[in-house]
Amino acid sequence: DAKTTQPNSMESNEEEPVHLPCNHSTISGTDYIHWYRQLPSQGPEYVIHGLTSNVNNRMASLAIAEDRKSSTLILHRATLRDAAVYYCILPSSGSARQLTFGSGTQLTVLP
Amino acid sequence: NAGVTQTPKFRILKIGQSMTLQCTQDMNHNYMYWYRQDPGMGLKLIYYSVGAGITDKGEVPNGYNVSRSTTEDFPLRLELAAPSQTSVYFCASSYSRGKTGNTIYFGEGSWLTVV
Repeated sequence: DAKTTQPNSMESNEEEPVHLPCNHSTISGTDYIHWYRQLPSQGPEYVIHGLTSNVNNRMASLAIAEDRKSSTLILHRATLRDAAVYYCILPSSGSARQLTFGSGTQLTVLP
Repeated sequence: NAGVTQTPKFRILKIGQSMTLQCTQDMNHNYMYWYRQDPGMGLKLIYYSVGAGITDKGEVPNGYNVSRSTTEDFPLRLELAAPSQTSVYFCASSYSRGKTGNTIYFGEGSWLTVV
């Protein structure tokens, strides 16, 4: 299964945009890129996913490089509530297409 | 609007005791999962199920057992608890989305301490 690489931690100021990078150089042509986040003492929650073109939803935007070897999760205006661990994940090839969570990026939002 | 419900939320076990973590979902999802998360680490898959009567091992299945007799329920059994099983356990479910991969919905977690 393809792996992802993310920075261990990032900081952002409140109300400023945040760009969270992810490298996935061994991604296959059919792998969707998923992002989840985990707030303190909670289970992970889905943020966004995409295949080739950029994707937007109410929580975030996902920018995918043309060669698909990297992607960036964009939070347009970070709030204190966005402080969390963000995971960039490629589904496995297993029967349940299960997600394998790495250590993610710890985002700190400064007031 | 319950989603994925886990019980208990907190439990302290003595070494060698056994217990079952309960998980139920009301979204009619066919896929269910159990993950564990040690402090400061990412989640590791223990077991998963693609439908009633079908289960399979994940990355870290040793010391655990599961069953899936209904679509809704996916209990995780710990036999002969050990301190290494002190962790936070998350149950999750999803519906099949084929090649896109599944959007997974997680429960709130069960904090287990083995002393």
